Amino acid sequence: GAVVSQHPSWVICKSGTSVKIECRSLDFQATTMFWYRQFPKQSLMLMATSNEGSKATYEQGVEKDKFLINHASLTLSTLTVTSAHPEDSSFYICSARDFFGPGTRLTVL
Amino acid sequence: AQKVTQAQTEISVVEKEDVTLDCVYETRDTTYYLFWYKQPPSGELVFLIRRNSFDEQNEISGRYSWNFQKSTSSFNFTITASQVVDSAVYFCALSEASGGSEKLVFGKGTKLTVNP
Repeated sequence: GAVVSQHPSWVICKSGTSVKIECRSLDFQATTMFWYRQFPKQSLMLMATSNEGSKATYEQGVEKDKFLINHASLTLSTLTVTSAHPEDSSFYICSARDFFGPGTRLTVL
Repeated sequence: AQKVTQAQTEISVVEKEDVTLDCVYETRDTTYYLFWYKQPPSGELVFLIRRNSFDEQNEISGRYSWNFQKSTSSFNFTITASQVVDSAVYFCALSEASGGSEKLVFGKGTKLTVNP
């Protein structure tokens, strides 16, 4: 069964709104989780490392004010896409240990 | 910097054929991990294998086998007697081992199509 869950699995929103995506580790604690983004027919690119109890570490070129990450507990990390625009439409996937969540498909109209 | 190259963008085979997916990596670390993931059309990433840099023993799991060659920095994946359900995009990935980080660098993926 799945060891990492994500919610929602898909979301459609209007441009300018904010969207929150949750990533949960099931049956284990994760002090570190990772957020990736995948554009259609492309590979996964690491966006940021989510650290429980401290600030996230962002990869070069990823706007930390746009992609807010909160790792509130040892089993939950959230990614909030603020003021979303159509170019933010993508597949967002989180991971903990070697396992990936099922992904969240974001479409911004 | 770490880099993973999957030179085969797309492969098409007929069912029951064997197929090998290539993966070449670059890293300056002496300790690292290599992975293979399967991504079916549904999008979820399915973990297939993790291998650390000190273990060059080849691995077999059912119809899947992996050949790790440190001398050529390759970690190739072979599917024996392929089936239609094997159709997916397969990603090879690399991570540092220091500090237990599971931050991965992915190759661009190989899309495998198995035709009946």
